[in-house]
Amino acid sequence: AQSVTQLDSQVPVFEEAPVELRCNYSSSVSVYLFWYVQYPNQGLQLLLKYLSGSTLVESINGFEAEFNKSQTSFHLRKPSVHISDTAEYFCAVRRAGTASKLTFGTGTRLQVTL
Amino acid sequence: NAGVTQTPKFRVLKTGQSMTLLCAQDMNHEYMYWYRQDPGMGLRLIHYSVGEGTTAKGEVPDGYNVSRLKKQNFLLGLESAAPSQTSVYFCASRGVAGPSYEQYFGPGTRLTVT
Repeated sequence: AQSVTQLDSQVPVFEEAPVELRCNYSSSVSVYLFWYVQYPNQGLQLLLKYLSGSTLVESINGFEAEFNKSQTSFHLRKPSVHISDTAEYFCAVRRAGTASKLTFGTGTRLQVTL
Repeated sequence: NAGVTQTPKFRVLKTGQSMTLLCAQDMNHEYMYWYRQDPGMGLRLIHYSVGEGTTAKGEVPDGYNVSRLKKQNFLLGLESAAPSQTSVYFCASRGVAGPSYEQYFGPGTRLTVT
């Protein structure tokens, strides 16, 4: 079975500052990794994903995440955050394959202030 | 193209009452899921379906039943609601084509059981 750990439940940061949201996973087999974002009172939206190939993946709004197999991590970063990035971020893992289910972390609430 | 929709958006129940949550998707997806989201616990899978007429238990199935009579609909039932079922419920769906098998989420149903 797979598991995901998001060590930080809340991350406060000032606008235009850099941010890193940490995600570590545990699995004995190959996995796909995902970051989802949930804006207030909305459902989850896929932010970015790692399936294979380049270990650095990027989203359209400036976030990036790097797959590190040796450290079993998939940390999410942004060099300069905006107020509109305030949301809850969930890391998720799925065993590589067609029938496997997503396992979510407990989420990290990113609070961006002026 | 509405994606994944959920009905109702909000509901308040008294202990012991029953209700059904409806999830509908218009993307012709095979797989559908019901999750519950509780503070500090992330998303936990209640039940899922891999196709019309099939259902399976997830991580926290007790107290819930589901049905998938039509491919586009996935119903979640609470036969006798309990305060522990106060939560936000999310439905998701995904197709079987493509390596990412991305899940698409509905906007959620906020349920309070008093």
